[in-house]
Amino acid sequence: KQEVTQIPAALSVPEGENLVLNCSFTDSAIYNLQWFRQDPGKGLTSLLLIQSSQREQTSGRLNASLDKSSGRSTLYIAASQPGDSATYLCAVTPGSARQLTFGSGTQLTVLP
Amino acid sequence: NAGVTQTPKFQVLKTGQSMTLQCAQDMNHEYMSWYRQDPGMGLRLIHYSVGAGITDQGEVPNGYNVSRSTTEDFPLRLLSAAPSQTSVYFCASGTSNQPQHFGDGTRLSIL
Repeated sequence: KQEVTQIPAALSVPEGENLVLNCSFTDSAIYNLQWFRQDPGKGLTSLLLIQSSQREQTSGRLNASLDKSSGRSTLYIAASQPGDSATYLCAVTPGSARQLTFGSGTQLTVLP
Repeated sequence: NAGVTQTPKFQVLKTGQSMTLQCAQDMNHEYMSWYRQDPGMGLRLIHYSVGAGITDQGEVPNGYNVSRSTTEDFPLRLLSAAPSQTSVYFCASGTSNQPQHFGDGTRLSIL
């Protein structure tokens, strides 16, 4: 059974810092990996999708990498802002299916 | 473009009552799914559908029923509500190779 782990569970940084969120998964046979953002009381917003054949994806200040062989992904946030405060979730899609297996998330607080 | 719309946003039920959580998408996505989110458990898949008329069970299907008569709609039915079903429910839709889109959730309390 696929298991997804996110470390740390919570992170607090001062504004302007660059930071890295980690995601690991136990089964490397994934179709893709997706990073989401969730604000309190809200739904999930997709940030980046990395296909299994890709190594990284970038969107603005966000960069996500994928190393299938080691079962790891990182989300890099450059020049963090208070508006980046949210819970960040990593999810993998097994094989060719589209069901998502989620990690428990990293709660990020960016202090002004 | 509304995306994924879930109704209601909040609901309180008594044990044993039944209800239907509605989910509609206007993006012509063939794939739709339901998740529940609980503290310490993360998001877990309840049921999913790969197209109209096709549904399958996810990780935690017991106590829930689904059907998919149209591409747009994927309702989730609680047959006889139990306190253990108190949760936040999310509906998602997508296609292969594209990010999945989530609704804003339904917050359900079972007394």
